[in-house]
Amino acid sequence: DAGVIQSPRHEVTEMGQEVTLRCKPISGHNSLFWYRQTMMRGLELLIYFNNNVPIDDSGMPEDRFSAKMPNASFSTLKIQPSEPRDSAVYFCASSLRTGEYNEQFFGPGTRLTVL
Amino acid sequence: SQQGEEDPQALSIQEGENATMNCSYKTSINNLQWYRQNSGRGLVHLILIRSNEREKHSGRLRVTLDTSKKSSSLLITASRAADTASYFCATDANPSGNTGKLIFGQGTTLQVKP
Repeated sequence: DAGVIQSPRHEVTEMGQEVTLRCKPISGHNSLFWYRQTMMRGLELLIYFNNNVPIDDSGMPEDRFSAKMPNASFSTLKIQPSEPRDSAVYFCASSLRTGEYNEQFFGPGTRLTVL
Repeated sequence: SQQGEEDPQALSIQEGENATMNCSYKTSINNLQWYRQNSGRGLVHLILIRSNEREKHSGRLRVTLDTSKKSSSLLITASRAADTASYFCATDANPSGNTGKLIFGQGTTLQVKP
């Protein structure tokens, strides 16, 4: 199994540009999570999906952020327009929600730098 | 605020020594998980302990849970340089533990010197 796949691994863009991060979860997993990690704020959950449906987007910082999951094997996180304070590492994780506990499998992350 | 809070924030030891990291949480839990993050990588699940368990072992890892004190500890015995990483505890956002939404602590950064 290839694990959770994220692309791109690194993204450098200028303020005001649109940024799209992509994630392919582990095949068969039914939950997908987007996190943001910074030194100042640690690991923050932005949004998560169960069976492709957004369940909790309370962590999305503002309307500039949006996420979609059109099918079980693909999700995107979009920032438009991007700002320097969005610079962070963005992780996607997936899990197989069985009801008792949910080990999450993380992708390698996308390091975003907004100039 | 974070459900789990680890201490110490940073720990530096010599290879072969034991490393102990602690996690405190605020609400009741169904289970608690520990994850490791190597520099520049995603988090990796290490071990899960259920609320009705007091201690659990996995290789050189030992996890304890004290629900009366709302705390857990992770012990790494006979540490190796490869154990250098950040370690996070995580609990489900719902005390019954079935939402799948994990709340992570701030982490403990462990450095093991060869």
